[in-house]
Amino acid sequence: QQQVKQSPQSLIVQKGGISIINCAYENTAFDYFPWYQQFPGKGPALLIAIRPDVSEKKEGRFTISFNKSAKQFSLHIMDSQPGDSATYFCAASMVYSVGNQFYFGTGTSLTVIP
Amino acid sequence: NAGVTQTPKFQVLKTGQSMTLQCAQDMNHEYMSWYRQDPGMGLRLIHYSVGAGITDQGEVPNGYNVSRSTTEDFPLRLLSAAPSQTSVYFCASSRQGAIYGYTFGSGTRLTVV
Repeated sequence: QQQVKQSPQSLIVQKGGISIINCAYENTAFDYFPWYQQFPGKGPALLIAIRPDVSEKKEGRFTISFNKSAKQFSLHIMDSQPGDSATYFCAASMVYSVGNQFYFGTGTSLTVIP
Repeated sequence: NAGVTQTPKFQVLKTGQSMTLQCAQDMNHEYMSWYRQDPGMGLRLIHYSVGAGITDQGEVPNGYNVSRSTTEDFPLRLLSAAPSQTSVYFCASSRQGAIYGYTFGSGTRLTVV
């Protein structure tokens, strides 16, 4: 079954608006939650990540909010720009897992309209 | 520093043909993995390796073989291609115990007709 559930599947936002993508997980052993950004024809690239000991992490216009009790985390893109148009994947893993296995969400296609 | 290099970028196979997708990294990463990406499915782990000579199955290993004879290379073999293997394949690598530096290649788009 899907270990990490992601929504929405697609998102259209006006330039300058806020983009919000949500993810939920079941396995409480997960302790590392990254977000990956993927442009067409490219591999996913790490955007921002969080450990469950904090409730929020901000890097520039990108913020992860983490709710451990609800087993949910979300990506907020402030002041969204056309250059942010990409597919975003959330993921979950265990820092000390053998093989560094990641479980990915199904992805969100973000389009930022100028 | 090339990072993770995948070849070929595109490939069309006929059902039943075999081929090898190549993956090489120059970062001396111990861990290497293969994922497939399908619409609406996200990325799913096929096989992974924690070091030379050590491999294990991921979530969707059927129809694929791997080996790891060197630290740098981690090829993925399709023994008898099927249309269900039409996908985009990504190789990724990271340092042992350092999942923060997980690095993906640019992918191989495979079509099986």
